Amino acid sequence: KQEVTQIPAALSVPEGENLVLNCSFTDSAIYNLQWFRQDPGKGLTSLLLIQSSQREQTSGRLNASLDKSSGRSTLYIAASQPGDSATYLCAVPNSGGGADGLTFGKGTHLIIQP
Amino acid sequence: DAEITQSPRHKITETGRQVTLACHQTWNHNNMFWYRQDLGHGLRLIHYSYGVQDTNKGEVSDGYSVSRSNTEDLPLTLESAASSQTSVYFCASSSPSAGNTGELFFGEGSRLTVL
Repeated sequence: KQEVTQIPAALSVPEGENLVLNCSFTDSAIYNLQWFRQDPGKGLTSLLLIQSSQREQTSGRLNASLDKSSGRSTLYIAASQPGDSATYLCAVPNSGGGADGLTFGKGTHLIIQP
Repeated sequence: DAEITQSPRHKITETGRQVTLACHQTWNHNNMFWYRQDLGHGLRLIHYSYGVQDTNKGEVSDGYSVSRSNTEDLPLTLESAASSQTSVYFCASSSPSAGNTGELFFGEGSRLTVL
């Protein structure tokens, strides 16, 4: 059974810092990995989807990397802003690339201090 | 714009009552999912569907059922609500591509309280 771990569980940094969120998974036979953002009381918003053939995916100030062999992904946020405050979750397919849902980490709760 | 909507957004019910949460997506996605989110457990998969007339059990399916009569809708039914089913429920959808799960899109959630 796939397990996903996110470290740290919470992080508070001053505005302007660059930061890295970590995600690890136990079964490296994945087709893709997805990063989400969740604001309080809201649904999940997809940030980045990395296919297994890719090593990186970028969107604005966000950069996600994927290392399948080591079972790790990182989300890099450049020049953090108070609006980046949210919970960030990573998720991988339950079995290989099958459409039987994703397994989620419990998230990193991020606070950016103005 | 295409979207995924859930209703009701908030509901309070009593133990033993039947409850149905609606999910409607306008992306024409084949795959639809229901998750629940609880403190300490994160997101857990309840049921999912690959298309019309197809339904499958997820990790925590006991006490829940779904039906898929068209592409757009996947209602979630709690047959006899229990206090343990107090949670926030999220519907999601995706369009598979080349065997992949595809990017997953979520609704805003339905907060259910069972008294």
